[in-house]
Amino acid sequence: AQTVTQSQPEMSVQEAETVTLSCTYDTSESNYYLFWYKQPPSRQMILVIRQEAYKQQNATENRFSVNFQKAAKSFSLKISDSQLGDTAMYFCAFMTQGAQKLVFGQGTRLTINP
Amino acid sequence: DTEVTQTPKHLVMGMTNKKSLKCEQHMGHRAMYWYKQKAKKPPELMFVYSYEKLSINESVPSRFSPECPNSSLLNLHLHALQPEDSALYLCASSLAPGTGPTDTQYFGPGTRLTVL
Repeated sequence: AQTVTQSQPEMSVQEAETVTLSCTYDTSESNYYLFWYKQPPSRQMILVIRQEAYKQQNATENRFSVNFQKAAKSFSLKISDSQLGDTAMYFCAFMTQGAQKLVFGQGTRLTINP
Repeated sequence: DTEVTQTPKHLVMGMTNKKSLKCEQHMGHRAMYWYKQKAKKPPELMFVYSYEKLSINESVPSRFSPECPNSSLLNLHLHALQPEDSALYLCASSLAPGTGPTDTQYFGPGTRLTVL
């Protein structure tokens, strides 16, 4: 069975700082996808970034980038120039190709302070 | 446009009531999902519909009854719920089930359900 571990239950940084959220996963599959979702207090789950396991290049979306280490089964999210609107719960998620089922980590609550 | 809409935003119901949650998407997605989320926890998958057919049922109690009338609409019928069923119910959709990157799920804003 696949598992996803987020080792940081809570983090707090100052606005404009860079912050990295950790995620590790366990799987024996070779074809899979990794995701970071953001859930602000307003509660809607928003896709932040996606990484296909067969791609060596790390995904980036504006201020968000990942460090995907396939051999280490690590998928961390870096947020650059953090903004107050980045305050949210962040979930790392894994999905085997064709499985349709997302396996979520327990989440990291990130607070950006002014 | 990656919009999934859900109604109502909030719902309070008694244990003897019958109510329904509605989810809609007009992105041409062919897979739709129901999740249950308790406070400060990740979402838990309940049901998956692929091409309007139920493809995954995560052993959900029969007091929850899903329905997919067409490719754009997903309902969750509720009957005889328990207080422990109080949670945020999230709907999601994805473009084409089982085809890799197009399996990316996009979520709606959720319905906050309170069972008295």
